Amino acid sequence: DADVTQTPRNRITKTGKRIMLECSQTKGHDRMYWYRQDPGLGLRLIYYSFDVKDINKGEISDGYSVSRQAQAKFSLSLESAIPNQTALYFCATSTGTGDSQGYTFGSGTRLTVV
Amino acid sequence: QKEVEQNSGPLSVPEGAIASLNCTYSDRGSQSFFWYRQYSGKSPELIMFIYSNGDKEDGRFTAQLNKASQYVSLLIRDSQPSDSATYLCAVDGGYQKVTFGIGTKLQVIP
Repeated sequence: DADVTQTPRNRITKTGKRIMLECSQTKGHDRMYWYRQDPGLGLRLIYYSFDVKDINKGEISDGYSVSRQAQAKFSLSLESAIPNQTALYFCATSTGTGDSQGYTFGSGTRLTVV
Repeated sequence: QKEVEQNSGPLSVPEGAIASLNCTYSDRGSQSFFWYRQYSGKSPELIMFIYSNGDKEDGRFTAQLNKASQYVSLLIRDSQPSDSATYLCAVDGGYQKVTFGIGTKLQVIP
């Protein structure tokens, strides 16, 4: 099984619908992140969490919300989806310390809003 | 706005050559620097992490950091077609809020 699992892998939804993207991890990492990736814009941080009680906005949090249900689970919601939220979404985890402080990414969710 | 700049490429090199990928960053207080490899349609994968000035080598990969010039690079020796991917430079400006560059697409020509 993958260390960081994202569901669904692909999703097409209509404008105005609420949608949730889920992420779970078996790495035991405290820190979890949601990024979106757009061609020509790279990866941009939406929200991040350093533990269950710690939630922080990233650079592009408008239109999104998150929930950290447990150390291993971090969900991203689009309250009312709009077409410019069409993107590839990645969940990532890290230890935050030492030589292993780089991110481990999930496989991504390709979201299309029509 | 903290920025991380990369040439989007594509950078084309012949098989067996050295590929040199470059990245500059704007936040002089940045502490940690990362290189990720991303194959088309896949998620990024960490390949190098560096935080001290100088060179760090891991197999065919060498990361170079020059904090005075705010410059970090990745060298890939003996490039192989399997190295063809997009390479993302990432910079941690503190509190592990990492900023990514747009990535450089590398093409290794057999």
